[in-house]
Amino acid sequence: SQQGEEDPQALSIQEGENATMNCSYKTSINNLQWYRQNSGRGLVHLILIRSNEREKHSGRLRVTLDTSKKSSSLLITASRAADTASYFCATSRAAGNKLTFGGGTRVLVKP
Amino acid sequence: DTEVTQTPKHLVMGMTNKKSLKCEQHMGHRAMYWYKQKAKKPPELMFVYSYEKLSINESVPSRFSPECPNSSLLNLHLHALQPEDSALYLCASSQDEGGRGNQPQHFGDGTRLSIL
Repeated sequence: SQQGEEDPQALSIQEGENATMNCSYKTSINNLQWYRQNSGRGLVHLILIRSNEREKHSGRLRVTLDTSKKSSSLLITASRAADTASYFCATSRAAGNKLTFGGGTRVLVKP
Repeated sequence: DTEVTQTPKHLVMGMTNKKSLKCEQHMGHRAMYWYKQKAKKPPELMFVYSYEKLSINESVPSRFSPECPNSSLLNLHLHALQPEDSALYLCASSQDEGGRGNQPQHFGDGTRLSIL
């Protein structure tokens, strides 16, 4: 079963614009991870943020985590056509190597 | 190219066939995973192996039988599948921190399975 929900389900932007997507989850977590999946490919890990962290950056990616609201956001700045993909958040709880994925956001970046 | 290799990339099988999906990684990871992904849906965890031992089975039907012959290989044996089992099957691996799940997972590109 899905731990979280992502919002929006789909996003269409022009190249150069920023893309923001949100993830909400239901239970306490150990960490939250974001993954990208290009069409027909496997998932690629983007960033991991631990439950005691509030913000993390990696290149053009910025992730925030608000454990009081049980939510996270992923911001992609200066988007490129190559950023077109589905983006999934995934939560890890304290016990076990188990990731539970949110429903995903499909991002289309138009050139 | 991904560091987790899955074969075959595509598989079409009848409901009475027996086939196997294979996954290989050489990153020294000791946790390996099988996921099932339907179109436009997130991956759903099926099995987790930790140090070659099955640690999580998410109530998967017995027509799916996982096997971890060594630390680099993971198999998924298929028998008597149903049409609703058609999906993308993803393998992943990660370092194992004693089950604390603090490591990113590395995914293969999957096997697209079609059941006739």
